[in-house]
Amino acid sequence: DTAVSQTPKYLVTQMGNDKSIKCEQNLGHDTMYWYKQDSKKFLKIMFSYNNKELIINETVPNRFSPKSPDKAHLNLHINSLELGDSAVYFCASSQEWTRGYNEQFFGPGTRLTVL
Amino acid sequence: AQSVTQLGSHVSVSEGALVLLRCNYSSSVPPYLFWYVQYPNQGLQLLLKYTSAATLVKGINGFEAEFKKSETSFHLTKPSAHMRDAAEYFCAVTLYNTDKLIFGTGTRLQVFP
Repeated sequence: DTAVSQTPKYLVTQMGNDKSIKCEQNLGHDTMYWYKQDSKKFLKIMFSYNNKELIINETVPNRFSPKSPDKAHLNLHINSLELGDSAVYFCASSQEWTRGYNEQFFGPGTRLTVL
Repeated sequence: AQSVTQLGSHVSVSEGALVLLRCNYSSSVPPYLFWYVQYPNQGLQLLLKYTSAATLVKGINGFEAEFKKSETSFHLTKPSAHMRDAAEYFCAVTLYNTDKLIFGTGTRLQVFP
């Protein structure tokens, strides 16, 4: 009955590789997000999709490409991985985009380590 | 633009003591404010939120927060700390008319027996 799930939980890879992280929510929400949490625990939004449409694209290298095949899924593909990409990536969802007071539900996170 | 500042990156208390985690906000419009908790190796979970209905907001696990417009604050409190409260706590505000969360830098709460 997991609300927001992510796979894999851990990802260890070499510099220069390409990897993907998958996210699924079963809450029926319209909006999904990707966050990056660095080693100092600082959380920053990367992308947001509302009904499969990109609505937030923060200053993120274009090596990062989100894809939303349907409103229940938001995947993150990363090309040419760099050491600085090592972080915990969280997926989240909320009911809708425009209210401002909706709770966001977070997945368990994917710890990416680039060697 | 909206932002939040959390004072104190680390707070340590004894079990049974009062917990006070500080958050100040900056916003040109009435804000929506949130406290999220992150237990070790887990995702974030909503503790409580302020949506302008009542200034004293009660959340899960015995936590509450008071919105004080005059002080631009939204501090989180709990009368008596438990060992299980040890976690990272994040204050956040949403960007006006969106659900985009802007997080503070977090406060790590340690609880000693």
